[in-house]
Amino acid sequence: NAGVTQTPKFQVLKTGQSMTLQCAQDMNHNSMYWYRQDPGMGLRLIYYSASEGTTDKGEVPNGYNVSRLNKREFSLRLESAAPSQTSVYFCASSDVGVFSNQPQHFGDGTRLSIL
Amino acid sequence: AQKITQTQPGMFVQEKEAVTLDCTYDTSDPSYGLFWYKQPSSGEMIFLIYQGSYDQQNATEGRYSLNFQKARKSANLVISASQLGDSAMYFCAAGGTSYGKLTFGQGTILTVHP
Repeated sequence: NAGVTQTPKFQVLKTGQSMTLQCAQDMNHNSMYWYRQDPGMGLRLIYYSASEGTTDKGEVPNGYNVSRLNKREFSLRLESAAPSQTSVYFCASSDVGVFSNQPQHFGDGTRLSIL
Repeated sequence: AQKITQTQPGMFVQEKEAVTLDCTYDTSDPSYGLFWYKQPSSGEMIFLIYQGSYDQQNATEGRYSLNFQKARKSANLVISASQLGDSAMYFCAAGGTSYGKLTFGQGTILTVHP
């Protein structure tokens, strides 16, 4: 009963380093999403993939890239990490758009600190 | 685009009492969905309840109900018979015609006292 799995759970980087956050879902969902959560704020959408083979920018895409590797996997890459990217990152997936009662299912998050 | 406003940074409630968490939204989409999520101190995001903009009745899921007032653009979460395990951060979120994209509010921290 894995649902959405994110790796790693914790990571510390130095400014300028690169890193890829991995996300995989086993629910056969079409859509996948990456959010960041900063203290005192709600989740903000970074990128999303409505279906395999497509990706689109969300609210805060600068400094990130994504890859929808296949239907199961959606990765988030920081090419040159900056302290402003210190955050908790959540991956989510959903079966259809918001006009059904199917919610987005979230992974447990990755706590990323950039020094 | 949507905007979600949760005006209560923190709320306190006695165990077994009901509590209402406020959420107002602003959207230009003719059709939209409203969601509530719970985030306990352990950090995971737990889906609670969904309301579609064209749903005639307010959504209910166990002890959770959504007081949807379309004209007022409000989607308040009502938790009945609060339990100690309800202590958490609660987020209201909305999505419109942009496929699957959700906009979240800033959240309300609920503390349930014994």
